[in-house]
Amino acid sequence: QVQLKESGPGLVKPSLTLSLTCTVSGFSLSSYGVIWVRQPPGKGLEWMGVIWGNGNTNYNSALKSRLSISRDTSKSQVFLKMNNLQTEDTAMYFCARSGWRYWGQGVMVTVSS
Amino acid sequence: DVVLTQTPPTLSATIGQSVSISCRSSQSLLHSNGNTYLNWLLQRPGQPPQLLIYLVSRLESGVPNRFSGSGSGTDFTLKISGVEAEDLGVYYCVQSTHAPPFGAGTKLELK
Repeated sequence: QVQLKESGPGLVKPSLTLSLTCTVSGFSLSSYGVIWVRQPPGKGLEWMGVIWGNGNTNYNSALKSRLSISRDTSKSQVFLKMNNLQTEDTAMYFCARSGWRYWGQGVMVTVSS
Repeated sequence: DVVLTQTPPTLSATIGQSVSISCRSSQSLLHSNGNTYLNWLLQRPGQPPQLLIYLVSRLESGVPNRFSGSGSGTDFTLKISGVEAEDLGVYYCVQSTHAPPFGAGTKLELK
């Protein structure tokens, strides 16, 4: 069955870089896109970006200068890197398969010194 | 950027009441391939979102048929015919024709 699981550090200091991994199973990254979405505490969903099955990427224009999404198809992993983290980047970070049918459980990231 | 405007932001309902949520897009969501990629998600507290409706009106497998979607172009509606306790949470319209995809959400709570 299709599964996605986010992993990464729970706490990041301001100005540093966040690195998250989305490990997928049950489908090929060459056939489906993987989307990153985040949700600050008590707030709505924010689309961050997507890496498509062909490897192309699209980013939220508000995050584009700080954000990079890549993948390793042999390991079924998608990577998110976002630099210069600020306190307002504190959020639950989700990965989802394109089509919105399948989501990971999310990983909470707190930006604090 | 496309803006999805959901109304109302909060909806208070009693069990058994029928309710509707509106999602209005600043641009047509009709894709050049003829599909309209407008979906509805429900996020219950502490959970990731789940897909309820895709392609405007198609019910996701396992979703109760009290949920229905309608609309076209720029105006879309999610209807719940007889709210049940498990329906409480935040509803999002999400589109895949353009970016960014999400509406701001509608919180459904008990009156």
